[in-house]
Amino acid sequence: QSVLTQPPSVSAAPGQKVTISCSGSSSNIGNNYVSWYQQLPGTAPKLLIYDNNKRPSGIPDRFSGSKSGTSATLGITGLQTGDEADYYCGTWDSSLGGVFGGGTKLTVL
Amino acid sequence: QVQLQESGPGLVKPSETLSLTCAVSGYSISSGYYWGWIRQPPGKGLEWIGSIYHSGSTYYNPSLKSRVTISVDTSKNQFSLKLSSVTAADTAVYYCARDLGGELSCLFDYWGQGTLVTVSS
Repeated sequence: QSVLTQPPSVSAAPGQKVTISCSGSSSNIGNNYVSWYQQLPGTAPKLLIYDNNKRPSGIPDRFSGSKSGTSATLGITGLQTGDEADYYCGTWDSSLGGVFGGGTKLTVL
Repeated sequence: QVQLQESGPGLVKPSETLSLTCAVSGYSISSGYYWGWIRQPPGKGLEWIGSIYHSGSTYYNPSLKSRVTISVDTSKNQFSLKLSSVTAADTAVYYCARDLGGELSCLFDYWGQGTLVTVSS
């Protein structure tokens, strides 16, 4: 059971928008930056968002991140079938060190 | 382009020590940044194991700290993981990654492809 809580699954139709939440506490999200990772089936995770809302080079602007208090959100617009993957949030926890959320499976219907 | 490649035994017996190496290419470890290990049990989420700086400074997941040793060999541009007294619960895909943020972050920008390690007699 992770200290960062994500919904197990979300779904939306192609072309639509979806958001994935990541809820924590003042020990982690509340006082540290959040990153987001995409893990396509059978592959290694890929960095999507860092420092709450920054995108690495090569990540399309369909992906966005935000943080408010002790929660963070990943947004994906213009959904494509290729976006079907598991998504993980990550941050630092004052007691546990680096922590990841439990992951959210995105299904593009 | 930074590339990482894990190597090591795919099968380890219970109570023995798991040993993995991560070879880095396209970037010199001596140039900076931390370098980390993350694992993922089959069908489950990600767990950070620990990270090391090129100088040898380390920080570990408190829940694994008593069993983990991460070391670096800058001459070979690689770093290694040792996890002692393994049990079936340590069965996982083990990833190495560049730890872009160091302490106070969970930020990994380049990842290896991962290697499955099974703990079984």
